[in-house]
Amino acid sequence: QVQLVQSGSELKKPGASVKVSCKASGYTFTSYAMNWVRQAPGQGLEWMGWINTNTGNPTYAQGFTGRFVFSLDTSVSTAYLQISSLKAEDTAVYYCARDVHAFDIWGQGTMVTVSS
Amino acid sequence: EIVLTQSPGTLSLSPGERATLSCRASQSVSSSYLAWYQQKPGQAPRLLIYGASSRATGIPDRFSGSGSGTDFTLTISRLEPEDFAVYYCQQYGSSGAPFGGGTKVEIK
Repeated sequence: QVQLVQSGSELKKPGASVKVSCKASGYTFTSYAMNWVRQAPGQGLEWMGWINTNTGNPTYAQGFTGRFVFSLDTSVSTAYLQISSLKAEDTAVYYCARDVHAFDIWGQGTMVTVSS
Repeated sequence: EIVLTQSPGTLSLSPGERATLSCRASQSVSSSYLAWYQQKPGQAPRLLIYGASSRATGIPDRFSGSGSGTDFTLTISRLEPEDFAVYYCQQYGSSGAPFGGGTKVEIK
């Protein structure tokens, strides 16, 4: 079946980096864009941007430029989110979501905790 | 950048009642690109409605979406126990994909 499976929870210190993976299965990975969404504890959904899975071209939403990088490995149908220079306020669940008719398939989410 | 404002913030209703959730955009949104999601605690969001009024695969017909321009509505005709959750609207398309702040539907 069509699914997105994300990597497990991460605990990082401030200033470190983290890379979250999102592996797609059950469909042709390069047929649909992939989006990333952040949800801070107890807060709403925040769209971070998307990556064109054909060209690898990323587009970042306001507030997600500089420290955030979207990338792909199409050979293993996987999208990645890398966050550098982590801050406490980056503590959140990060979701990948396929973009067909809106965001029709979501990963299960990856909790990233930034704490000293 | 389009800003989506959802109201009310919280809706307290009983099972069997009708729920009406509002989503207002700061500028006109193409109806083709307005979606609604449901999120339960500890779970990823689930797509309910896309294109303002089309139900996603497997979504019961008690969920319906309507609206155009800057005003959109999600209606749940008769609340089932599993419908108590947080609901988000979203504008998606070439100009970005912001979400509204959410409406929590809680048991009265």
